[in-house]
Amino acid sequence: EPEVTQTPSHQVTQMGQEVILRCVPISNHLYFYWYRQILGQKVEFLVSFYNNEISEKSEIFDDQFSVERPDGSNFTLKIRSTKLEDSAMYFCASSVLAATGELFFGEGSRLTVL
Amino acid sequence: QKEVEQNSGPLSVPEGAIASLNCTYSDRVSQSFFWYRQYSGKSPELIMSIYSNGDKEDGRFTAQLNKASQYVSLLIRDSQPSDSATYLCAVIIQGAQKLVFGQGTRLTINP
Repeated sequence: EPEVTQTPSHQVTQMGQEVILRCVPISNHLYFYWYRQILGQKVEFLVSFYNNEISEKSEIFDDQFSVERPDGSNFTLKIRSTKLEDSAMYFCASSVLAATGELFFGEGSRLTVL
Repeated sequence: QKEVEQNSGPLSVPEGAIASLNCTYSDRVSQSFFWYRQYSGKSPELIMSIYSNGDKEDGRFTAQLNKASQYVSLLIRDSQPSDSATYLCAVIIQGAQKLVFGQGTRLTINP
């Protein structure tokens, strides 16, 4: 069964360091998303991406965040200068259609900022 | 007002009983509604979608939608211990390409 894969599963970093989280969406999906979930809190939308452009982004997705699809398979989230409050589980998701709620999520990358 | 609101629980239901999970949303023009299940430490998994008023059944799961009341619910019949998880209500915000989640209701099925 096709799945979304994410690496690393867990990353520990020092405050101020750059972090790149990687995702391989399902191969025939065209729409890609990043969500985050701070421990004990709700799943929050960060950004959606289609055709090599950001389609939508939330207030959380400020200048410290960027996304990229560097090749035909990977979809990355970069945090330029991490803060303590960036500690969370980051989920990548993909979908076949736009503006659909039928998302397929990866297992997540847990980011711990010290 | 929060875009999607759920009672965070925990909701405790005996095995074999019906679990009822509720959700309200603020965007009156939203058209697409979803229930996801999230096991502890895992990612969300889609279990039901509903787009029209009324009931939609899939196995032991029934989603109910009332757009006039801006209310979505999920019923789980013959609850099993494996149904113990957090259930996330989610809504597509009309005109935006984003799915917004509620805070989730933690459900525990007691054997």
